Amino acid sequence: AQSVAQPEDQVNVAEGNPLTVKCTYSVSGNPYLFWYVQYPNRGLQFLLKYITGDNLVKGSYGFEAEFNKSQTSFHLKKPSALVSDSALYFCAVRDFNTNAGKSTFGDGTTLTVKP
Amino acid sequence: DAGVIQSPRHEVTEMGQEVTLRCKPISGHNSLFWYRQTMMRGLELLIYFNNNVPIDDSGMPEDRFSAKMPNASFSTLKIQPSEPRDSAVYFCASSYSGELFFGEGSRLTVL
Repeated sequence: AQSVAQPEDQVNVAEGNPLTVKCTYSVSGNPYLFWYVQYPNRGLQFLLKYITGDNLVKGSYGFEAEFNKSQTSFHLKKPSALVSDSALYFCAVRDFNTNAGKSTFGDGTTLTVKP
Repeated sequence: DAGVIQSPRHEVTEMGQEVTLRCKPISGHNSLFWYRQTMMRGLELLIYFNNNVPIDDSGMPEDRFSAKMPNASFSTLKIQPSEPRDSAVYFCASSYSGELFFGEGSRLTVL
């Protein structure tokens, strides 16, 4: 079985400050990890993914995520938040070797960036 | 590319009526997924297809729900008969190399 936990329902940061949205995962094999963003009344948009290689992954809109195998975490980060980053963020995991195609999503974290 | 196209964007119907949601995946993608999103249950995977073949339908709530993918460029999700608890946003997504590309969703309201 595979699962994702996003421990914070809501994250509030001031514009210009760094942001972190937390994600931990559980998977029996090698993890294939993703972050998605959802704006109001829109579908989810892919931000970045980790398969193998460098533990720091860079993605769209200046976001990056750090894979930590020992802590089974894949936290989303951005050095300087923008008001336009306010949205709902989802972490997802897939077992790279099995359950081909089936991603499990976390419950989502609402990010609010205040001017 | 136009992305994943879903129709209708909004559907309001009465309990007991049949509802058909449609999806056109991105050309060249070989996997297609149907998700449902509600405030209470979050994002739920209903069913997914690989190369037009249903692989896992364990998330389909009950027999009232059915999904088909007659060819690589079209899929439907049907609810018959619909119930108020089916009210949700239904997303279709397609994939080729792991990450999912979502449509804008179909918002279903069953009165």
